[in-house]
Amino acid sequence: ETGVTQSPTHLIKTRGQQVTLRCSSQSGHNTVSWYQQALGQGPQFIFQYYREEENGRGNFPPRFSGLQFPNYSSELNVNALELDDSALYLCASSLGAGVLFSGNTIYFGEGSWLTVV
Amino acid sequence: ELKVEQNPLFLSMQEGKNYTIYCNYSTTSDRLYWYRQDPGKSLESLFVLLSNGAVKQEGRLMASLDTKARLSTLHITAAVHDLSATYFCAVDRLDDMRFGAGTRLTVKP
Repeated sequence: ETGVTQSPTHLIKTRGQQVTLRCSSQSGHNTVSWYQQALGQGPQFIFQYYREEENGRGNFPPRFSGLQFPNYSSELNVNALELDDSALYLCASSLGAGVLFSGNTIYFGEGSWLTVV
Repeated sequence: ELKVEQNPLFLSMQEGKNYTIYCNYSTTSDRLYWYRQDPGKSLESLFVLLSNGAVKQEGRLMASLDTKARLSTLHITAAVHDLSATYFCAVDRLDDMRFGAGTRLTVKP
């Protein structure tokens, strides 16, 4: 139990639709990062938020966007869904100091399984 | 570009045996992470290695880091069935974090 909760756990969307995934960070953690994990592969870094501002981004197009709220909960939004967006989306929280990755332990949520048909 | 390679990708071993998983990465980094993932589950942090020569142990698992060789190892001692899972290493370089493809470990009685 990491204290990071994600919703929904599973969802199915149609190509071209939009989706919002939600994450509640572990208490006291000010940094949240999101990852995409395709079946049978390692996670890929999407972006990270520190104190409500995006402070780093992986190799994902702009249709992947996010928000972090004052209570440090977070959303991942994906527009114009494509079939290849089908994956497990993982949220992770940590206690950071503004540097993108600082060597602190990162705690992952259980993930949201997205299927695009 | 930061690349992370793990080997082997699949590992089947008998209970009681020892084995090592290797993680090589392509560019300078002083931070390496090991995670465990059970089927259909999220990632569990095992170790964070922050400097050259770092060694950490937890139960039957021991991880080490050689930043000069850009190599980390995860050593399994006297494997038990409960260690069956997929193990990922990951490396960060300030602005990016890259994961290896994972090593799927099966421990057989």
